Amino acid sequence: QSVLTQPPSASGTPGQRVTFSCSGSSPNIGKNPVSWFQQLPGMAPQLLIYNDDQRPSGVPDRFSGSKSGTSASLAISGLQSEDEADYYCLAWDNSLDFCVFGPGTQLTVL
Amino acid sequence: EVQLVESGGGLVQPGGSLRLSCAASEFNLRNYWVTWVRQVPGRGLQWVANINQDGSKKYYVDSVRGRFTISRDNTRNSVSLQMNSLRAEDTALYYCSSAIAAADSVWGQGTLVSVSS
Repeated sequence: QSVLTQPPSASGTPGQRVTFSCSGSSPNIGKNPVSWFQQLPGMAPQLLIYNDDQRPSGVPDRFSGSKSGTSASLAISGLQSEDEADYYCLAWDNSLDFCVFGPGTQLTVL
Repeated sequence: EVQLVESGGGLVQPGGSLRLSCAASEFNLRNYWVTWVRQVPGRGLQWVANINQDGSKKYYVDSVRGRFTISRDNTRNSVSLQMNSLRAEDTALYYCSSAIAAADSVWGQGTLVSVSS
């Protein structure tokens, strides 16, 4: 059972806006910044969002992050076929004293 | 090109040991926290361990604490993961990442570890 909870799958059509949730608790998301990663098939993960809502240079502004309480969200607007990938959230857990990934959400672009 | 390259993976019997290395090119790894992350093929990501810039702080996931040791050699611009008492459930693709949750995050392409008799 993962400390962070993500829905296993999501889908959308090109141009649509989709959101992914990451639910945690006080020791992790409630007290620490959340990061989001994209993993394309057969590739290493890539950082999309850090510090809850910051984008590294090179990440399109179609990707945005937010956090409220013990839950975080990743949104993709203007969905494209190349966005089909797995998406993971990550946060430090003060009780466990290590970092935890969510189980990931697989995005299908229909 | 700025990159991280992992090496040292392979096939090992249960109870055996392996030492993974993560070498940086075209940037000073000494300036960053470094993290090891693993992934069983077809499964999700698991955070394994990390180390701070001077090696004074190290953290481990419960399932590897006491068996794995992370270390760094800033003179060689590299980080290592010594894995002892390996189990079948340690079989995975192991990635290293610098500044995993920061603007200049870099990931390697991974090295595969298989634990089997």
